[in-house]
Amino acid sequence: SAVISQKPSRDICQRGTSLTIQCQVDSQVTMMFWYRQQPGQSLTLIATANQGSEATYESGFVIDKFPISRPNLTFSTLTVSNMSPEDSSIYLCSVDLNKGDGYTFGSGTRLTVV
Amino acid sequence: TQLLEQSPQFLSIQEGENLTVYCNSSSVFSSLQWYRQEPGEGPVLLVTVVTGGEVKKLKRLTFQFGDARKDSSLHITAAQPGDTGLYLCAGRTGANNLFFGTGTRLTVIP
Repeated sequence: SAVISQKPSRDICQRGTSLTIQCQVDSQVTMMFWYRQQPGQSLTLIATANQGSEATYESGFVIDKFPISRPNLTFSTLTVSNMSPEDSSIYLCSVDLNKGDGYTFGSGTRLTVV
Repeated sequence: TQLLEQSPQFLSIQEGENLTVYCNSSSVFSSLQWYRQEPGEGPVLLVTVVTGGEVKKLKRLTFQFGDARKDSSLHITAAQPGDTGLYLCAGRTGANNLFFGTGTRLTVIP
């Protein structure tokens, strides 16, 4: 299975600032997925990032708030913009190698907005 | 967004007991997966079921996919403290996206 490095692992940020989360995969993948996991809850898909095209966002998530970059087949970033305390969550990136192993996840970024 | 409801939401049992977690939806899925997540980590795949009515066993864990491919269950026999974690079902539609259930937080008390 793929190895995913996600950073930072955690951060505490001031209201109104932005944070960029990086996700590096050790193999080339077509699609990378960004999820949000609010405290004590399940995972909600934010967007799908394809290399060379605009990310596809799920209902309730917009590009201005969560801009995504996908410069190559092994790397993606998610920015959480103009943060508020409601953005405090764990953010996870994941990939699907289509080898029947399911999605592989990074260890997540625990974001606290104060 | 595909809605997958899991029950129970929380479960606390004694070591050695059996338990069943349910995952229900009104949508039909091409496949359904079960993951376990531990604190500070991302979810890790336990199993994938594809065929309606399919049953898969993984040591003390038994997974079943409903005949109509809308629901699934996870049964754990003789639970161990190491089974403690957040269990998530996840359904895949015809597209590549994977939608996660509401989650079941299991605590096994020694």
